[in-house]
Amino acid sequence: DAGVIQSPRHEVTEMGQEVTLRCKPISGHDYLFWYRQTMMRGLELLIYFNNNVPIDDSGMPEDRFSAKMPNASFSTLKIQPSEPRDSAVYFCASSLASGSLGTGELFFGEGSRLTVL
Amino acid sequence: AQSVTQLDSQVPVFEEAPVELRCNYSSSVSVYLFWYVQYPNQGLQLLLKYLSGSTLVKGINGFEAEFNKSQTSFHLRKPSVHISDTAEYFCAVTGTGFQKLVFGTGTRLLVSP
Repeated sequence: DAGVIQSPRHEVTEMGQEVTLRCKPISGHDYLFWYRQTMMRGLELLIYFNNNVPIDDSGMPEDRFSAKMPNASFSTLKIQPSEPRDSAVYFCASSLASGSLGTGELFFGEGSRLTVL
Repeated sequence: AQSVTQLDSQVPVFEEAPVELRCNYSSSVSVYLFWYVQYPNQGLQLLLKYLSGSTLVKGINGFEAEFNKSQTSFHLRKPSVHISDTAEYFCAVTGTGFQKLVFGTGTRLLVSP
């Protein structure tokens, strides 16, 4: 089975531009997470979904950030407008956490490295 | 709610020496525990996990960890490290009734010749 797929792997943009990061979770997983990783702040949970419904978005930095999960196989994280301080690696992860097979183990994508100039 | 403490931000060690990376957790409920490894410019991948049963769990690349409920610890060990083990290691915890996975701040393992 393919792992979590993220795109783009690298994005360089100018301040003020809109950025959209994409994620395809592992088929059958019922949870999807968006993390941000920086040297200063480490690994931060931004938002997570259960069965396509946002459960906890308390980690989203501000209104410039939004995330959607229109179906079980696709999610987006959007930043509009982007700022230099948004530069980071953004990870998507999925897990199967419900039922007898659920353990909460996360499977991570390779990440999207965002640079805002 | 759960929390994880990784006291060592960086651990330098020589090749072929043993290493222990420390992890302590806090939780009011039963837990699942994980260690993840992140190699440079890559995502996190699972090293090993404790769900139930034997408190000594073995993972990939010769790593093992021991769950100690009385000390609320889940330390990661390897008897002999290689240069290729240089990476960042994250301890994580979740309640068995599933809440979100909580990560520690990470420990950078630096293996030198």
